[in-house]
Amino acid sequence: GQQVMQIPQYQHVQEGEDFTTYCNSSTTLSNIQWYKQRPGGHPVFLIQLVKSGEVKKQKRLTFQFGEAKKNSSLHITATQTTDVGTYFCASKAAGNKLTFGGGTRVLVKP
Amino acid sequence: DSGVTQTPKHLITATGQRVTLRCSPRSGDLSVYWYQQSLDQGLQFLIQYYNGEERAKGNILERFSAQQFPDLHSELNLSSLELGDSALYFCASSVGGGSGSGNTIYFGEGSWLTVV
Repeated sequence: GQQVMQIPQYQHVQEGEDFTTYCNSSTTLSNIQWYKQRPGGHPVFLIQLVKSGEVKKQKRLTFQFGEAKKNSSLHITATQTTDVGTYFCASKAAGNKLTFGGGTRVLVKP
Repeated sequence: DSGVTQTPKHLITATGQRVTLRCSPRSGDLSVYWYQQSLDQGLQFLIQYYNGEERAKGNILERFSAQQFPDLHSELNLSSLELGDSALYFCASSVGGGSGSGNTIYFGEGSWLTVV
């Protein structure tokens, strides 16, 4: 079945630095969603990308959907301690299952 | 507050027992999803219901079952519990049941199940 793979699994970032997490699929995705889960919390929807090559920004977060709609990235600039958490990408496969990637756990060093 | 309510928040039970987790979706949402998250693991899709009917099925064990009632609340039943079933079980809801744009899903705070 369809899987979305996320890399890296862990990201240690110095406060103030930038980082990128990637989501890859072997099949074309109709859309992709990104979620953030704070430690001890529940996943919270961040954004959805639908169009090929789409780029959306939310303050310091930039989301991109690949031209072939098989990959996506989340880039965070000037990382802050509030960015700590696990970032998941998710996409719906045939059969309507919303499948999540394994997540990138972000730890910020002050 | 996402508007999705899950009970109980925490539950400790013994192996071999059966438990029921309950979820009330956001007002107006017709779809309910159940996910399992083990320690340091990702979100494993279990099952989705839309307006009372099963819509999609994931890696849900035969020992587990779910249903969605006419008032749209849902229950996840876990039976013959094993130590490995200890996990955080999330319920989520969305307005629609398809993969179209705008079909954001909202997660509840989860039910922590510990099997001892």
